[in-house]
Amino acid sequence: GAVVSQHPSRVICKSGTSVKIECRSLDFQATTMFWYRQFPKQSLMLMATSNEGSKATYEQGVEKDKFLINHASLTLSTLTVTSAHPEDSSFYICSALGQPGSPLHFGNGTRLTVT
Amino acid sequence: LAKTTQPISMDSYEGQEVNITCSHNNIATNDYITWYQQFPSQGPRFIIQGYKTKVTNEVASLFIPADRKSSTLSLPRVSLSDTAVYYCLVVMNRDDKIIFGKGTRLHILP
Repeated sequence: GAVVSQHPSRVICKSGTSVKIECRSLDFQATTMFWYRQFPKQSLMLMATSNEGSKATYEQGVEKDKFLINHASLTLSTLTVTSAHPEDSSFYICSALGQPGSPLHFGNGTRLTVT
Repeated sequence: LAKTTQPISMDSYEGQEVNITCSHNNIATNDYITWYQQFPSQGPRFIIQGYKTKVTNEVASLFIPADRKSSTLSLPRVSLSDTAVYYCLVVMNRDDKIIFGKGTRLHILP
């Protein structure tokens, strides 16, 4: 079945540094990818929608200069958390949408801890 | 955007059938209904997807009435490992954003 690979699964970084998270669709082409953030015991919160070859669309309250999204190919999208702060610590999840009518598939998430 | 509403939590016992209903009153013609299961610190896992009537796979069934304003996920003979959060999503082809509802926290008791 369709697989979305997200890497790394866990990262710890120091305050002020940047972290890049990769999301790959392994066996299908994804024209649209979504990035979510999830706090403990809460639902997934949409951060941004990215379409291959165009700029990402950010949800209200999500800083585009802080959360840089690049969707350079049909199988890869990246989220870079720039100048990370402890409040950016969270669980980040990507998802990818393939053929019309096919379900949305999710990566296994990245646990970011900023110290 | 079709908003979804589900019960916040449910408890059941091993071996029972569990039905979780989701309402999506403003579903559009081209929208599909998809259900996901999420364990702590993992991404949501696809369970089943349907457009209308009934869909069944090896793990679940999905019942969708004619008006499509709701859907019911049916899990036959649950086990302790089915304890998780279940989300229904309404997804349109080439949707420009996909919003999660609060999900249903299912707790299976021995």
